[in-house]
Amino acid sequence: AQTVTQSQPEMSVQEAETVTLSCTYDTSENNYYLFWYKQPPSRQMILVIRQEAYKQQNATENRFSVNFQKAAKSFSLKISDSQLGDTAMYFCALSNFGNEKLTFGTGTRLTIIP
Amino acid sequence: SQTIHQWPATLVQPVGSPLSLECTVEGTSNPNLYWYRQAAGRGLQLLFYSVGIGQISSEVPQNLSASRPQDRQFILSSKKLLLSDSGFYLCAWSRGKVSSYNEQFFGPGTRLTVL
Repeated sequence: AQTVTQSQPEMSVQEAETVTLSCTYDTSENNYYLFWYKQPPSRQMILVIRQEAYKQQNATENRFSVNFQKAAKSFSLKISDSQLGDTAMYFCALSNFGNEKLTFGTGTRLTIIP
Repeated sequence: SQTIHQWPATLVQPVGSPLSLECTVEGTSNPNLYWYRQAAGRGLQLLFYSVGIGQISSEVPQNLSASRPQDRQFILSSKKLLLSDSGFYLCAWSRGKVSSYNEQFFGPGTRLTVL
């Protein structure tokens, strides 16, 4: 069975600062995908960024980037120049190649302070 | 472009009453479909998923059931609701076997309160 652990239930940061959300996972597979989803107060789940495990290069999407450490099974999300609209719950998720099911972490509630 | 709809958006039901939540996807064919439940302040729990019409896999034994009568329609049902069924229900779809990333796209959700 695969697991995803987010050890930071809540975080807060001043607007324009950089924040890093942690995620560790466990899987017996070698090929898999990792995702960060954002759930703002509207509760709509939005895909923020994704990473293929076979790619060594860390994924980036504008202000969002990841630090993927495959050996350590770590997948952290860095948000640069944080904005008020970044306030949301952030979920880390894992799916194995060939298996479309996602395993989610329990989430980190991020608050951006004006 | 693809869109996913869920209704109703909110629902308040008495204990013991039936339930029917509907999810439809537009703009794609043969999607994989999923039902999740999110309890207050917690992560997502996968309830059911479907890779085709009439094909339903259950992840968690409970008094809920799911059906897929059409390719892009997914229904979550219960004959008798329990208090513990309260929560936020999310439907999601993915591109299935042709997907390169396994990513899932979520609907707006249904908030269910059982009294």
